[in-house]
Amino acid sequence: SQQGEEDPQALSIQEGENATMNCSYKTSINNLQWYRQNSGRGLVHLILIRSNEREKHSGRLRVTLDTSKKSSSLLITASRAADTASYFCATALQRAAGNKLTFGGGTRVLVKP
Amino acid sequence: DAGVIQSPRHEVTEMGQEVTLRCKPISGHNSLFWYRQTMMRGLELLIYFNNNVPIDDSGMPEDRFSAKMPNASFSTLKIQPSEPRDSAVYFCASSFRLADEQFFGPGTRLTVL
Repeated sequence: SQQGEEDPQALSIQEGENATMNCSYKTSINNLQWYRQNSGRGLVHLILIRSNEREKHSGRLRVTLDTSKKSSSLLITASRAADTASYFCATALQRAAGNKLTFGGGTRVLVKP
Repeated sequence: DAGVIQSPRHEVTEMGQEVTLRCKPISGHNSLFWYRQTMMRGLELLIYFNNNVPIDDSGMPEDRFSAKMPNASFSTLKIQPSEPRDSAVYFCASSFRLADEQFFGPGTRLTVL
């Protein structure tokens, strides 16, 4: 698998339900970031969690990080139709020379009204 | 700040023609990234710069692709000659530091006939 691989690839839920998606990676990271992409638009940064953090919240978003399992999850609570988008995780590797982000393939989320 | 600015937003050209995509990063950002997104391949990092210096161009698919960053406020991605398989959405992104959150431009949708 690639560094930063999301699961599931697609998710369909009803408005008001929670949406959970996961990201797994292979090597040690400096930080992990989640992005959202609406159709036809550029990616928008949602949240960054550092390797020494375990959980972070931002509004209806909750991100967890388990470095022992090399995985992260993004939870969207009380979803809305406007949350319909693709969600990507991106990992910044631990590397002394400076890091780039490596993006996964994304999870397509459809929130039905 | 206006965010990352890309031009043109849409480009339709014929096979064999030269294509130049332009990007203006957010003022004060030190890192700039060029990505390509297609349905088949997802989001691919082509090249990135730090302090105007190319750091890693291993994602550039072929010698037909070249990128420059002559100063901190401008970068170009050139494809010469273009081919139909280059059709994709090309994104430029910038960040303050390499591993920080990235701010994406709206993208250039390139169609090569």
